[in-house]
Amino acid sequence: SQTIHQWPATLVQPVGSPLSLECTVEGTSNPNLYWYRQAAGRGLQLLFYSIGIDQISSEVPQNLSASRPQDRQFILSSKKLLLSDSGFYLCAWITRGSYNEQFFGPGTRLTVL
Amino acid sequence: DAKTTQPPSMDCAEGRAANLPCNHSTISGNEYVYWYRQIHSQGPQYIIHGLKNNETNEMASLIITEDRKSSTLILPHATLRDTAVYYCIVRVAFNQGGKLIFGQGTELSVKP
Repeated sequence: SQTIHQWPATLVQPVGSPLSLECTVEGTSNPNLYWYRQAAGRGLQLLFYSIGIDQISSEVPQNLSASRPQDRQFILSSKKLLLSDSGFYLCAWITRGSYNEQFFGPGTRLTVL
Repeated sequence: DAKTTQPPSMDCAEGRAANLPCNHSTISGNEYVYWYRQIHSQGPQYIIHGLKNNETNEMASLIITEDRKSSTLILPHATLRDTAVYYCIVRVAFNQGGKLIFGQGTELSVKP
């Protein structure tokens, strides 16, 4: 069965510090991968998506970057966090070409102080 | 990207049917309508999706109008555990990444 892992579950970081959030998928190959962010009390915003290794598309200009060094690994990074980077970060995947559901990970709650 | 419009909030009595409307007047012919829900502090949960025919599964029914410009999600017997934010989404074509673009959703409150 397919599973998706995200870590850490919760993170508190000072402004200006770096960030690295990792997402890994098991039980599938060649998935499309996605990073979403949800600010407090708001809807989900798509940040990045990837259709393959080292293929990253950015949806909105921001202080974050994404990388996909392996087929089932998706990393969200920042060199210097801003207060506005606080939020709930969700990784998701779908089998490419499928019209079935998109699976979401458990999420990472990031607080920047 | 096709956008969706949903009422910000709705109430429903426990045991009654919850009918959640969604407008997607700019939907393209090859774009699917998806419904997800999110319970506080959790990741979104898939409910159902469809292209042009009505769909039903163990969770809900999806009614899509003939012109495909709107749809309704039906929870036939709402329970307190169905209280959540419900998102109606048009899935972007796969040659554009197959993205789910979330709107603000409808906050459904199921009351005893």
